Parts: sequence; C-alpha cells; structure tokens
Amino acid sequence: KQEVTQIPAALSVPEGENLVLNCSFTDSAIYNLQWFRQDPGKGLTSLLLIQSSQREQTSGRLNASLDKSSGRSTLYIAASQPGDSATYLCAVRPGDDKIIFGKGTRLHILP
Amino acid sequence: DAGVIQSPRHEVTEMGQEVTLRCKLISGHNSLFWYRQTMMRGLELLIYFNNNVPIDDSGMPEDRFSAKMPNASFSTLKIQPSEPRDSAVYFCASRPETMNTEAFFGQGTRLTVV
Repeated sequence: KQEVTQIPAALSVPEGENLVLNCSFTDSAIYNLQWFRQDPGKGLTSLLLIQSSQREQTSGRLNASLDKSSGRSTLYIAASQPGDSATYLCAVRPGDDKIIFGKGTRLHILP
Repeated sequence: DAGVIQSPRHEVTEMGQEVTLRCKLISGHNSLFWYRQTMMRGLELLIYFNNNVPIDDSGMPEDRFSAKMPNASFSTLKIQPSEPRDSAVYFCASRPETMNTEAFFGQGTRLTVV
C-alpha cells in the first residue's frame, strides 16, 4: 500500500531564506508526483507536476526534484517571502488512477 | 474554464439530516475524485470515477456515504444520515484521462454536523 510522508509537519523560517520541504513515498512505482499549495480555508493549487521519467521541474522560485528509486521528492523554495506561507502537500499517482497525499508541511515565513 | 466548482461552500446541518455535496468537473476531464480533509487524517480519498464509472470506493467510510455521476460533468456525494464525525472539508478534483496530467481541485465544501 502506497504511503506518503512529509517532514517536517511544520516549519518557520525568516523571510529571504531558501528552504527545502521533503516528501517520501513507500512504493517507487509511480506515474507522477505533484506538489500543491493550500492556503487556510481554501482549496488546493497545483504548483508542479513531475513525471516519473523526470528528475526535476522548475517554476519561478520553486524547484521540485524526484528520486523515484529512493522514494523521495523535495520542494525547494528560493528567497522565501511572507506570501509563501501556506501548507504544502505532496501527492503521488501510483500504478492505478488514485492520487495519494501526504499530510502536508505547514510553512510560516517570518517577516 | 471556471475550474472545478463545488457547492455549497459551507453547510451546517443537524445530526441525522441528509447532506448532498455537488461538484462540476472541468470540461473534457474524465476522472473525478472525492476527498475528505480533517486535521487528524489529512486528505483521504473517498471514491474516484473514470468516464462516469466508479472505479474504487474503498475509501467510503460506511454505507451512509454514496456518490454518483449522473453525467460526464457532474457528481454528487450524499451522506444520509449525517453524524457529527462527518464534519470535515470535502473536496472534489478532476483530471483528463491522459496518463501524466495534473489534477485540479475545487474550493471545497466545509461541512459541520451539529
């Protein structure tokens, strides 16, 4: 059974710092991995999608990497801003059509 | 496209009442997912459909929950009778059928059962 774990559960960093959020999954047989952002009381916004054949994807200050063989992904945020404060969720698509989520990392950027 | 649209955004109901949550998919999307989100358990997949057909409902907590897709663009999730432990945020998401594509989520319905 595929399980997705995100560490840490919560993180506070001063504005301007670079940071890394971690995601691990137990079964390396995935089609893709997707990072989402969720603001309080809101829905999920897709940030980046990495195909199983890819190693990384970049969008602006965000860079997501994927090491499928070791079951790990990281989301790197450069030059963090207070507006980056949110919960970041990692989700994998295993061999079937499901999407399995981690419990997220709550990020707080200190002004 | 306006994205995945859920209604209502908030629902407060008394224990024992029937609750119906609604979801309109993005046009052209073939897969539909219903999730429940709580602080304790995070996002749990309840059920998903491909081309209007339920594929996996193993996440549906019990018989009080049912989901339907009467057509390719619309789905409902019904809870009858509702209980306080059903209080959560319910999300639906849709995705095109092609293999490596993003899923798009609605804004969610916050359900409170008192």
